[in-house]
Amino acid sequence: KAGVTQTPRYLIKTRGQQVTLSCSPISGHRSVSWYQQTPGQGLQFLFEYFSETQRNKGNFPGRFSGRQFSNSRSEMNVSTLELGDSALYLCASSFSTDQTLTRFFGPGTRLTVL
Amino acid sequence: AQSVTQLGSHVSVSEGALVLLRCNYSSSVPPYLFWYVQYPNQGLQLLLKYTSAATLVKGINGFEAEFKKSETSFHLTKPSAHMSDAAEYFCAVSPYNQGGKLIFGQGTELSVKP
Repeated sequence: KAGVTQTPRYLIKTRGQQVTLSCSPISGHRSVSWYQQTPGQGLQFLFEYFSETQRNKGNFPGRFSGRQFSNSRSEMNVSTLELGDSALYLCASSFSTDQTLTRFFGPGTRLTVL
Repeated sequence: AQSVTQLGSHVSVSEGALVLLRCNYSSSVPPYLFWYVQYPNQGLQLLLKYTSAATLVKGINGFEAEFKKSETSFHLTKPSAHMSDAAEYFCAVSPYNQGGKLIFGQGTELSVKP
């Protein structure tokens, strides 16, 4: 069974640009959540999608947005990039939003903003 | 608000020695707790989780953790460290009624000396 896949694995952008990251969950999983990982702030929750609806959102500015498609694939978009957006972005999938379920993480997309 | 504190950002042990990684949580309701491991340039992999069943939880690769409500702790242990255990370990709590959101501790980097 294929795991969670994220594309691209690496990205280099400049300040002010926008970027779109993609996440394909494990087959059958309908919940996708996104996290930002930085050395200073650690792992922080961005948002969770289930059945194409955002179910929960973390404390990030509106420049960070996401969506989920009918096949459960998800994208997140960051507009007007800032240097501080440089991070590893991880997505995780599970069958549903049930708290007890294991979240399976992808390898991440490393975004560097110059 | 629920939170997680991992004591010690870096732990070093000798191969064959006991591994003890500390995690304390703050929660006003019984929590769901998780330990994840992250190897370099990879995503997070679940080691084990506590979801209100047995307080002693056994996970993969010989790890286990004990939920102690009186101490608000969920420490991770392994009787004998192996070189392949060198990685970063994250304790996480699933906040009540917030779906799949995970709040992570700052992480503990485990080094294993030969």
